[in-house]
Amino acid sequence: DTGVSQDPRHKITKRGQNVTFRCDPISEHNRLYWYRQTLGQGPEFLTYFQNEAQLEKSRLLSDRFSAERPKGSFSTLEIQRTEQGDSAMYLCASSWVRGGRASDEKLFFGSGTQLSVL
Amino acid sequence: QKEVEQNSGPLSVPEGAIASLNCTYSDRGSQSFFWYRQYSGKSPELIMSIYSNGDKEDGRFTAQLNKASQYVSLLIRDSQPSDSATYLCAVKGRDDKIIFGKGTRLHILP
Repeated sequence: DTGVSQDPRHKITKRGQNVTFRCDPISEHNRLYWYRQTLGQGPEFLTYFQNEAQLEKSRLLSDRFSAERPKGSFSTLEIQRTEQGDSAMYLCASSWVRGGRASDEKLFFGSGTQLSVL
Repeated sequence: QKEVEQNSGPLSVPEGAIASLNCTYSDRGSQSFFWYRQYSGKSPELIMSIYSNGDKEDGRFTAQLNKASQYVSLLIRDSQPSDSATYLCAVKGRDDKIIFGKGTRLHILP
């Protein structure tokens, strides 16, 4: 399977614990996005990478959230000191953008990691 | 805060009729516009993209863009029960990242 892979599919944690999610993008894709989605809402932008460079992190995101994409391959999203409000589906998407910036950008999504904070 | 606005619905359309979905965006410098479909419990998938003013047709789907009005729409002709899903409008702004609206739930009535 050469699609976007996310691990784990489900994560249940207690408030105050740290969690880390992993995303493996489509191998030739140079961009990787993280989104958060709650029931009845659209995907909310969290951050994105061009190769290993983090281009932007949402200003709405607290310092408890951090993401990395070492070597421009897989990415991890860490949430420290989880809160009940962090419960959501965390979606990863990847794309290939020619020349680093292009109008045409098709996102391919993974199946997501469903986080439940008790 | 750049935004993408959609009516959350649900929008109920009889089978065989035309479904019309609308979206407005706030960043006048936005360059690319997309419609994604998301079935319940699944991840979004791209169905249409549009970059220039006017209409773009792909099978039963037509995307329409009016940059002066900052308005994007999606028409689905001959609606089928399998079209029942949430339709997400997405915009690539001048800052080059892609953001999504809240989505419109579409229900095709058999």
